[in-house]
Amino acid sequence: RKEVEQDPGPFNVPEGATVAFNCTYSNSASQSFFWYRQDCRKEPKLLMSVYSSGNEDGRFTAQLNRASQYISLLIRDSKLSDSATYLCVVNTNDYKLSFGAGTTVTVRA
Amino acid sequence: GAGVSQSPRYKVAKRGQDVALRCDPISGHVSLFWYQQALGQGPEFLTYFQNEAQLDKSGLPSDRFFAERPEGSVSTLKIQRTQQEDSAVYLCASSLGLAGGINTQYFGPGTRLTVL
Repeated sequence: RKEVEQDPGPFNVPEGATVAFNCTYSNSASQSFFWYRQDCRKEPKLLMSVYSSGNEDGRFTAQLNRASQYISLLIRDSKLSDSATYLCVVNTNDYKLSFGAGTTVTVRA
Repeated sequence: GAGVSQSPRYKVAKRGQDVALRCDPISGHVSLFWYQQALGQGPEFLTYFQNEAQLDKSGLPSDRFFAERPEGSVSTLKIQRTQQEDSAVYLCASSLGLAGGINTQYFGPGTRLTVL
């Protein structure tokens, strides 16, 4: 079983829509959680960290449920530029990142 | 400022050839990581350096893979006797501080290796 599991999508949504997706992780000792964004043929870039109390960064909201080992990302008022693959990432020790396979989001005009 | 750079960006090798992939981390970054990303998958951890010390090489798929960072800055990932299953994007990342979950890893653009 992979350490981080994600719904691969694709999620195909119109501009202005809200889209939400999640991932689950298997190691209950995981310490830190992130969402990275990866554009086609580009490197992953940190989108946001995920905190236990939930956190927002503009149109992006991340939630963490440690009891269920579940992380979510919600994008409000989707823009064309939000089209990308979103990687769920878990830090299982003090340096090693474990990545999910990614959720593809396509925002259409 | 300059980010993480990698060279070459693309490499085509014939099966059995040796390849060397280079990573220049962000200046002053102590930690350096190598990842392998297969098509349609997320990056998979290969190895971790803290300065010149290789502290974790548990993700290297076989003894054909070797990484070094002799002076604590530039790193090279070498793959000997390449196989078709080695075809992937090899990503390098660096982070500022010592090991710690809160240190953001900054990724380079990757080297896309194709083994024919």
